[in-house]
Amino acid sequence: QQQVKQSPQSLIVQKGGIPIINCAYENTAFDYFPWYQQFPGKGPALLIAIRPDVSEKKEGRFTISFNKSAKQFSLHIMDSQPGDSATYFCAATRAGSARQLTFGSGTQLTVLP
Amino acid sequence: GAVVSQHPSRVICKSGTSVKIECRSLDFQATTMFWYRQFPKQSLMLMATSNEGSKATYEQGVEKDKFLINHASLTLSTLTVTSAHPEDSSFYICSAPPPEKNIQYFGAGTRLSVL
Repeated sequence: QQQVKQSPQSLIVQKGGIPIINCAYENTAFDYFPWYQQFPGKGPALLIAIRPDVSEKKEGRFTISFNKSAKQFSLHIMDSQPGDSATYFCAATRAGSARQLTFGSGTQLTVLP
Repeated sequence: GAVVSQHPSRVICKSGTSVKIECRSLDFQATTMFWYRQFPKQSLMLMATSNEGSKATYEQGVEKDKFLINHASLTLSTLTVTSAHPEDSSFYICSAPPPEKNIQYFGAGTRLSVL
């Protein structure tokens, strides 16, 4: 119930490509779904987040698509750049849990120049 | 700028010594903070929830006497790794949620190396 499944484990794209990272959850009590970006040796940084009452959210080159009925959400990175090379984690949280995060397993993205 | 400060960023110590890691929320008060451990190429593993003014809540399998947590104020939580051993070497990260917000901000992490 608490698990968030993330795929793929790793992803390599050319500069300008659109990597897509997918996540699925089971617990319908989750009500907030953030994505974090982590560079080696650094803490995760919040990238973008979405609520389940919205099907899509876009911030700059990053877009989250959310499918509530399928309990799936995905991150799209438009016009990817080598500087986007990092590990991306999806997460889920729910009210009443002190906003404790349940993380996906992470996707290591490499954007080739 | 960073809203959660974690210190030190890196520490190397001898086996048997204790190491203290600090996590501070810089511009908000945090009644709850979280401590994670991360192994190379793996996700963050929640170790414990730090509660201001009360005992920390540890996840299953995390030794309370090994990883001491103190949340002495609304802006500071500390994690002390007691009698550290090489197997405790890891990347430790804290996070804090601002009041009435859904998000969490993370510290920059502490790389602990026990020789």
